[in-house]
Amino acid sequence: GAGVSQSPRYKVAKRGQDVALRCDPISGHVSLFWYQQALGQGPEFLTYFQNEAQLDKSGLPSDRFFAERPEGSVSTLKIQRTQQEDSAVYLCASSLYNGASYEQYFGPGTRLTVT
Amino acid sequence: AQKITQTQPGMFVQEKEAVTLDCTYDTSDQSYGLFWYKQPSSGEMIFLIYQGSYDEQNATEGRYSLNFQKARKSANLVISASQLGDSAMYFCAMREGRNTGNQFYFGTGTSLTVIP
Repeated sequence: GAGVSQSPRYKVAKRGQDVALRCDPISGHVSLFWYQQALGQGPEFLTYFQNEAQLDKSGLPSDRFFAERPEGSVSTLKIQRTQQEDSAVYLCASSLYNGASYEQYFGPGTRLTVT
Repeated sequence: AQKITQTQPGMFVQEKEAVTLDCTYDTSDQSYGLFWYKQPSSGEMIFLIYQGSYDEQNATEGRYSLNFQKARKSANLVISASQLGDSAMYFCAMREGRNTGNQFYFGTGTSLTVIP
């Protein structure tokens, strides 16, 4: 079956540009997460959706970061006025349900490079 | 305090030997899940194994087993009969049971290199 897909896989942006990163979760998965993974580090939580509701955005580093999931399936992470420190891999993950026992399925990530 | 600590930045193992990757965690929840993921150079996170906080037996999945020591708050991954394809980054992660979104907390990872 289809896994989590993300697009684009690679994005180069000039400092100050806006970018939009897309995530298609596994069909029927209620929970959707965005993570940021800096080079040589583990993923860091950004935000979480349960269906279309954004229930936790405590990990978003600034108000330049915005995420949405309007119909409870596809999600978009938008970064406005990109800065060099935004360069990272952005991972999307989905999970069938909430709960400690449910694994998260990850997409391949979008590697963002801000020049 | 770090939720997940992985103290081995890099590990080497001879092909066909076993290797243990260390992970300790910190939580005050009674209900939590511990996960190991593999991340090859292609970047995708691949789920390996899961251990629930209430599970009395150590989890096993093929060549992977999780050495769960609850009192010590450790969840070490054991890979038996290492293969060249096991060379990758390995991340330990925890998901707490509180219904606050259940985000994963990841460690900084261990880079495993299997030597022929």
